[in-house]
Amino acid sequence: NAGVTQTPKFRILKIGQSMTLQCTQDMNHNYMYWYRQDPGMGLKLIYYSVGAGITDKGEVPNGYNVSRSTTEDFPLRLELAAPSQTSVYFCASSQRGRSTEAFFGQGTRLTVV
Amino acid sequence: GIQVEQSPPDLILQEGANSTLRCNFSDSVNNLQWFHQNPWGQLINLFYIPSGTKQNGRLSATTVATERYSLLYISSSQTTDSGVYFCAVFWGETSGSRLTFGEGTQLTVNP
Repeated sequence: NAGVTQTPKFRILKIGQSMTLQCTQDMNHNYMYWYRQDPGMGLKLIYYSVGAGITDKGEVPNGYNVSRSTTEDFPLRLELAAPSQTSVYFCASSQRGRSTEAFFGQGTRLTVV
Repeated sequence: GIQVEQSPPDLILQEGANSTLRCNFSDSVNNLQWFHQNPWGQLINLFYIPSGTKQNGRLSATTVATERYSLLYISSSQTTDSGVYFCAVFWGETSGSRLTFGEGTQLTVNP
């Protein structure tokens, strides 16, 4: 069972370029999340979704966009990449937000140069 | 929003030693999880423990929700226990629930 799958694992972007980080889960979870982790720090919530068609901002949403057209997929879009977006990005899912365990993907290491 | 504080921020142990990591949170929570981030960056689920005590091998965890803290115990530590340990809590109304992380405890176990 795959769980939460993120692609790509690594990416180098030039300043001003755009890209989409892909996240898919096969556990039929309702809730999905995107986090970023800067070196030596904890994880900060970028966006989350409580179900298909519903998304909301987290702590650090600026410079990112998301969509949730299906239960399985929750892509994160970076427009006009900036060096401040160099980070490791984690996607996670849980069946319901309050009461059940969250599972994480393996992360995408993004460098903006 | 909720504040999640972990202590100590750094811990260095000799192999075989025991340790206790602490997580304090500032408000009522619906869920609490402990994760281990290994040196390759992967987040490993250790415990889902909104209250009570659980044990898994050399690791155990206790959450006292009414007093707003959780403890992670590591006994007979091994070098493979090295990494960062994160506490994370779910809080808020159902529609706005989000998982908030502490800053982590960096554990180094020396042979």
